[in-house]
Amino acid sequence: DAKTTQPTSMDCAEGRAANLPCNHSTISGNEYVYWYRQIHSQGPQYIIHGLKNNETNEMASLIITEDRKSSTLILPHATLRDTAVYYCIVRVLADNYGQNFVFGPGTRLSVLP
Amino acid sequence: GAGVSQSPRYKVAKRGQDVALRCDPISGHVSLFWYQQALGQGPEFLTYFQNEAQLDKSGLPSDRFFAERPEGSVSTLKIQRTQQEDSAVYLCASSPGWGSVNEQFFGPGTRLTVL
Repeated sequence: DAKTTQPTSMDCAEGRAANLPCNHSTISGNEYVYWYRQIHSQGPQYIIHGLKNNETNEMASLIITEDRKSSTLILPHATLRDTAVYYCIVRVLADNYGQNFVFGPGTRLSVLP
Repeated sequence: GAGVSQSPRYKVAKRGQDVALRCDPISGHVSLFWYQQALGQGPEFLTYFQNEAQLDKSGLPSDRFFAERPEGSVSTLKIQRTQQEDSAVYLCASSPGWGSVNEQFFGPGTRLTVL
């Protein structure tokens, strides 16, 4: 079972910030929070990841609470092309720990014109 | 191209047929993963390779599913005697295996339809 819970769906107006929440109350100390998104008919695409500090890249910002039990992905100026399913996943950094990505159903974000 | 490629993109099989799905990972990536994605669901893990070694096959749904990566690069997922419940998108992903990001790069998937 996925270690995260996310809302099933969200709407956001084009040009506004999209804030996607994720709960991961059972996260372990060595597990990172990863965000991926999947646009229709494509494979999932990496967005951002973090351990405990807030992170920002050209795509998004990741805000992780101090207790690490939840996080929020922020798309600062959503466009129609950001319409996708967004997955929040917790996992250790290295593959050879034997942990794969466990995807939940994700949040279906619809950016509306 | 530098990304993960998969072939074929679409496959239609009659129930009982065998199918083989190919994945070409990013050159030099140590780790390779196969996932199965049913309609409206998130991807589900099938199996994991580190170079040519299959280290985890706990997600394979039955012994009709077999995967290999004999030279540590290209991988093939084979499904024998296909059933209708095998209809899904099969995704391949590769990753360096370690590093400060170690993101998984996904291919576009193969959509398998079993009639």
